[in-house]
Formats: sequence, C-alpha cells, structure tokens
Amino acid sequence: AQTVTQSQPEMSVQEAETVTLSCTYDTSESDYYLFWYKQPPSRQMILVIRQEAYKQQNATENRFSVNFQKAAKSFSLKISDSQLGDAAMYFCAYRSGSGTYKYIFGTGTRLKVLA
Amino acid sequence: NAGVTQTPKFQVLKTGQSMTLQCAQDMNHEYMSWYRQDPGMGLRLIHYSVGAGITDQGEVPNGYNVSRSTTEDFPLRLLSAAPSQTSVYFCASSYGGGTQETQYFGPGTRLLVL
Repeated sequence: AQTVTQSQPEMSVQEAETVTLSCTYDTSESDYYLFWYKQPPSRQMILVIRQEAYKQQNATENRFSVNFQKAAKSFSLKISDSQLGDAAMYFCAYRSGSGTYKYIFGTGTRLKVLA
Repeated sequence: NAGVTQTPKFQVLKTGQSMTLQCAQDMNHEYMSWYRQDPGMGLRLIHYSVGAGITDQGEVPNGYNVSRSTTEDFPLRLLSAAPSQTSVYFCASSYGGGTQETQYFGPGTRLLVL
C-alpha cells in the first residue's frame, strides 16, 4: 500500500525568506501523480502544485516549486519570497496513475510566516 | 458556477442518530470523493465515486454509506452516529484524471457527535 509521510508538523519562516517543506512517499508503482495542497484557516483546500511522476522536470508555479526526486521518493515544496498569506497547513498527496481514484494524503505541515 | 457545495456547515448529533451530509457540484465532474479530517491525521478517504451509479470504499468506510444517482450529487450517510465520527468532512470532485487532474474541494462540514 502507498504511504505519504510529512515529518515536519510545524515550520516557521520569516517574511520574504525561503522555506522548504518535506514529503516522502512509498510506492511500487511507476506511474503516479503528486500534489501539494494548502489549507488556510478558512479550511478551504487549495491546490498549490502538481507533479507527474513521468516528468523529470520539476514543476513550478510562481513562487512555489518542487524538488522531485523519484529514486529517493521525495517531493519537497519550496516557497520563495514567503508572504503572510502563505501561512497555512500544507498537505502532500499521492494518487496512482493506474486508474484508481484514491488520493493518499500526508498528515500536514503547519507553516507560520513571521513578519 | 458554485463549484462544490456542502451542507450543513456545522451539525451536532447525539450518539445513535442518523444524518446525511450533502455534496453537490456543478462542474459536470465524473469523480467525487468524501474525506474526513482529524487533528494530526491529514485527510482520509471514506468513499469515492467514478460516475453515477458507481461507488467504492476508501481507507475508512466503516459507519458510512454513499450512493450516486446523479452526476451532480454525492451524499454521505451516517446511519448510527458515534463519537468517533466527530470530524470535519470534505467533499471533492474532479473531471476524471489525466495530467491536468485537479480536485476541487467543498468548504467542509464540521460534525460533532455527543
């Protein structure tokens, strides 16, 4: 069975600085998708970034980028130029590409942004 | 375009009571899911559906029933509520996979079982 692990329950970053959130996963599949979701205090889940396992190039979305290490089964999220609005829970998620629709989420990392 | 809507936003139940959490989407998405979120546990999949008339169990299905009679609606039923079902429940939908797969989440329903 696949698992997703986020080993950092909480992280802090100074405004305008860069922070990296860690995520590791375990799977025997070769085709899958990885996601980072943001959950602000409003509880609304928001997709931050997506990575297809077959793509070697790391995904980027404005200030958000990932470091995808397929062999190491690592999928970290880097937030550059952190803003107060980035403060939230961040969840890493895995989805098989083989046709099942099951998403597996990590336990989350709470990010605090210090002014 | 309302996206994914959930009702109610908050509900208090007594042990043994039944209720239905409603979820609807207006994006014509085939895939819909129910998750529960508990402190320190992340989101766990309860049930999901890949289209009208088709449902399957997720990671924590016990105590919950679902059905999908239309593309738009995916209600979650608690037949006999237990305190262990106190949680925040999220419904999500997506168009059905592929490289641009994106799940859209509802605002959540907070459930307290006494």
